[in-house]
Amino acid sequence: SAVISQKPSRDICQRGTSLTIQCQVDSQVTMMFWYRQQPGQSLTLIATANQGSEATYESGFVIDKFPISRPNLTFSTLTVSNLSPEDSSIYLCSIEGRNFYGYTFGSGTRLTVV
Amino acid sequence: AQTVTQSQPEMSVQEAETVTLSCTYDTSENNYYLFWYKQPPSRQMILVIRQEAYKQQNATENRFSVNFQKAAKSFSLKISDSQLGDTAMYFCAFMKLQGAQKLVFGQGTRLTINP
Repeated sequence: SAVISQKPSRDICQRGTSLTIQCQVDSQVTMMFWYRQQPGQSLTLIATANQGSEATYESGFVIDKFPISRPNLTFSTLTVSNLSPEDSSIYLCSIEGRNFYGYTFGSGTRLTVV
Repeated sequence: AQTVTQSQPEMSVQEAETVTLSCTYDTSENNYYLFWYKQPPSRQMILVIRQEAYKQQNATENRFSVNFQKAAKSFSLKISDSQLGDTAMYFCAFMKLQGAQKLVFGQGTRLTINP
């Protein structure tokens, strides 16, 4: 299956600042997905990122708060803007696996906002 | 909209025992995939097993197998000969084939295997 490199693995940020998370895939993929996992909770899809078009956001998530870039078929970034303690979560990127056996996830970014 | 429900927040068994995790889902779709993912403390999401809704045969992967009951919208995971390394959060997930291919996750079950 494809390998996803996600960084940073963790960060502690001041409220009001922003954090940009990067995902690099070792092969070209059409769609990349960004998820949020709040403490003790399940995963919720933030947005779907296609190369060459604007990301599609799920209900409750807006571009101003979670801008996404997808400059090519192997890379994407998620920025969490104007941080507040409520943004403290694990953020994960994901891609469709080869031959569509399932979805592969990055190792996650643990964000703590203080 | 699809929903996925895992009614067991936590489970605990002894090593080598068999354990079954429950999952139910609600959908009006006829074609879809179901998955079980494992998330150990490292927080890496690991695909355990998947089931295509059009297949009647239950999927198996070594010690992991599912009991897929389409009419009942039930998708349980059985772990045989459980090992300490099976300790993790387990998430059931649904994905429809038509439209946006996104995963909808259940709330998760925290499984602890005791020595």
